[in-house]
Amino acid sequence: QKEVEQNSGPLSVPEGAIASLNCTYSDRGSQSFFWYRQYSGKSPELIMSIYSNGDKEDGRFTAQLNKASQYVSLLIRDSQPSDSATYLCAVNTNFGNEKLTFGTGTRLTIIP
Amino acid sequence: DADVTQTPRNRITKTGKRIMLECSQTKGHDRMYWYRQDPGLGLRLIYYSFDVKDINKGEISDGYSVSRQAQAKFSLSLESAIPNQTALYFCATSDAATSGGNNEQFFGPGTRLTVL
Repeated sequence: QKEVEQNSGPLSVPEGAIASLNCTYSDRGSQSFFWYRQYSGKSPELIMSIYSNGDKEDGRFTAQLNKASQYVSLLIRDSQPSDSATYLCAVNTNFGNEKLTFGTGTRLTIIP
Repeated sequence: DADVTQTPRNRITKTGKRIMLECSQTKGHDRMYWYRQDPGLGLRLIYYSFDVKDINKGEISDGYSVSRQAQAKFSLSLESAIPNQTALYFCATSDAATSGGNNEQFFGPGTRLTVL
């Protein structure tokens, strides 16, 4: 089982709709969770971080964390064409030396 | 100016050549990381360093070496490049003081390396 799993997509969403991206992780001891956005050929950009159960909102983005289910999601409201990118889920897996483990990413396309 | 810079941005080389990729940061962060990204495999950690005297292997360190010349500089070397090291390479930084154990990482622009 992969440590961090995401649906590879591609996920297509009409402009103005809600895009929902999902991520599961295997290490129950994980403490920190991140969503990165990566445009084609560019570097990952941190857009959301979440550390406790529940929802965290930042503008059109909402991150949701459920540690009991080992599940983290990202909702993008009022999707815009500029949101078309690959979204990477990352989990801080602390095995004595802190490091991030990344999922392989979900490619999102917003259809005008 | 960018907070994390990488040089070169693109490099084409031949099998067996020695290659060095450089990363510099002005963020004042203590932790630095090297990743490679391949289609379908995501980001994989090569090496990481928590301070100048601390170097740690990641999940795919074979064929690579690193040097932390200063807090702001972390270089990655391929001693004898091979074609399956063709990938996109990213440097990242984080700050233990401000992010605590949360390990928010910030990425440089990347180096596209092609080994023929």
